[in-house]
Amino acid sequence: KNEVEQSPQNLTAQEGEFITINCSYSVGISALHWLQQHPGGGIVSLFMLSSGKKKHGRLIATINIQEKHSSLHITASHPRDSAVYICAVYNNNDMRFGAGTRLTVKP
Amino acid sequence: IAGITQAPTSQILAAGRRMTLRCTQDMRHNAMYWYRQDLGLGLRLIHYSNTAGTTGKGEVPDGYSVSRANTDDFPLTLASAVPSQTSVYFCASSETAHHGYTFGSGTRLTVV
Repeated sequence: KNEVEQSPQNLTAQEGEFITINCSYSVGISALHWLQQHPGGGIVSLFMLSSGKKKHGRLIATINIQEKHSSLHITASHPRDSAVYICAVYNNNDMRFGAGTRLTVKP
Repeated sequence: IAGITQAPTSQILAAGRRMTLRCTQDMRHNAMYWYRQDLGLGLRLIHYSNTAGTTGKGEVPDGYSVSRANTDDFPLTLASAVPSQTSVYFCASSETAHHGYTFGSGTRLTVV
């Protein structure tokens, strides 16, 4: 079993829909990252969380340390949000990654 | 340059050859990382450096070496390339391990 599990693996939405991507992990962590990988391959860091909730524009990330779970929400989704979203957990110089969620937003 | 520069963008390499992937950042970040990304396996940490002069092993360090002579540069060397090292390699940096990361655009390496 992978230490970092993401769901769903693939997600197709209509423009404007509210999106939720989930990440569960089984190891102790000191921080959790959400990354976005564009179709061209470039990777962008969206959030780094150690507790609570962060918001940036239409993106919201939450983490529940006790439940070892994080969610990434996208409000009013847009075709330009189409990408692979990757959850990664960090502890003691070690970073482990989820397999990613491929999001397609249709106009 | 602004951010992280990786070179080359892509490379086809004969097995057994030595290869160095270059990574340079201009943000004065303390921490730097090398990852490989393989289909079905996702991103995996190869080596890291928390500050100039120090390096550490990640999840998949075998066959790779790194050095961190200064803050800006973090080259990754394959001493004797093997086909299983065919992958896309990403360099990243962060102010510290508890800050957001900046990624390079990647190097696509094919070992034949």
